[in-house]
Amino acid sequence: EDKVVQSPLSLVVHEGDTVTLNCSYEVTNFRSLLWYKQEKKAPTFLFMLTSSGIEKKSGRLSSILDKKELSSILNITATQTGDSAIYLCAVEAPQRGAGGTSYGKLTFGQGTILTVHP
Amino acid sequence: GAGVSQSPSNKVTEKGKDVELRCDPISGHTALYWYRQSLGQGLEFLIYFQGNSAPDKSGLPSDRFSAERTGGSVSTLTIQRTQQEDSAVYLCASSSQKTVWGAAFFGQGTRLTVV
Repeated sequence: EDKVVQSPLSLVVHEGDTVTLNCSYEVTNFRSLLWYKQEKKAPTFLFMLTSSGIEKKSGRLSSILDKKELSSILNITATQTGDSAIYLCAVEAPQRGAGGTSYGKLTFGQGTILTVHP
Repeated sequence: GAGVSQSPSNKVTEKGKDVELRCDPISGHTALYWYRQSLGQGLEFLIYFQGNSAPDKSGLPSDRFSAERTGGSVSTLTIQRTQQEDSAVYLCASSSQKTVWGAAFFGQGTRLTVV
């Protein structure tokens, strides 16, 4: 069974701090790893990683994948109160459904709750 | 539509009643997924649709849960004889790609509370 584990489960920091969120996985037939930010209810897409060692960056957020270690980190520098959210890691693996349909299936970690205080 | 739309946004129901949750995906997206998120948990896969067919129903937790999709668009998730453990946020996501799921777009979810 595919498994994704995130750590820490929760994190409390002050504005301006830098945080590192971890994601490790055990997946058969890995295709990609995705990071989402969830505020209130809807997760919003942050990054999709497919190759080891290539950093993806968007403003103060960056992420990198290590396929050898079966893990990924999400870094947030100079945190702001607006970064407070649940950060979800998901791993995509191709599946074959009924009728031979091929599709990607996501397995999510339990999330890291980040709280940034002013 | 501009985004994935789900309704209702909140639903409180009595134990034993049936509920229907609706998902309206982004126009043209052929792939549609239902997930469930219980308090403090990650997202749990329920079912995947490609067009109107469901190649993967493996995540449906019991035979009280069913889903359908019509016209390759709107999907309805039905929970019969609701139980308290069904209380969760039900999220729908859609994607335009058949074989590479990539960055699916999520709706705002329906928060279901069974009392």
